[in-house]
Amino acid sequence: QKEVEQDPGPLSVPEGAIVSLNCTYSNSAFQYFMWYRQYSRKGPELLMYTYSSGNKEDGRFTAQVDKSSKYISLFIRDSQPSDSATYLCAMSEADSSYKLIFGSGTRLLVRP
Amino acid sequence: KAGVTQTPRYLIKTRGQQVTLSCSPISGHRSVSWYQQTPGQGLQFLFEYFSETQRNKGNFPGRFSGRQFSNSRSEMNVSTLELGDSALYLCASSRSGEDNVLTFGAGSRLTVL
Repeated sequence: QKEVEQDPGPLSVPEGAIVSLNCTYSNSAFQYFMWYRQYSRKGPELLMYTYSSGNKEDGRFTAQVDKSSKYISLFIRDSQPSDSATYLCAMSEADSSYKLIFGSGTRLLVRP
Repeated sequence: KAGVTQTPRYLIKTRGQQVTLSCSPISGHRSVSWYQQTPGQGLQFLFEYFSETQRNKGNFPGRFSGRQFSNSRSEMNVSTLELGDSALYLCASSRSGEDNVLTFGAGSRLTVL
């Protein structure tokens, strides 16, 4: 079993929909939680960064971390065709913060 | 400001050869990490360098090595290439502070024939 599990999708939604992306993990030592977006032929781009549990909002994006359930989510409101990409969750322990453990990524397609 | 620059972007090698990939971090960033991305295994951590010292290493064989220069530029080397080494190799840089916010380059796509 992988340390971080993420549904690979693809997830296809109409423009304007609310998108929910999720990851589960098994390592209770994870303290830092991130969401990256990766377009084809590009490197991952950081979207959201959260330390420990709680919610964080940035524009149309909301990240949630539930450490008791070992579950993190990314919500995208008013989704746009330009949001079509692969979304990767990533996590790290406090004492190895540069060693990120990534989920396999979820492919999202937003239809016009 | 300029982002993380990786060269070459694409390369083709044959089994048994070796390859060197280069990464120039964002100006002022002193930490450089390397990741391997494959369809089957996803993104996997290779190693991380800070001020020319390797601070962390992932679970890869000794054929994978790296180094960092005094100007923070980094190289990674893969010797005795195998077909399974075909992947996108991503470099990421970060400031030397306590945060672990990584900025990735576009990657070097290696194909081993």
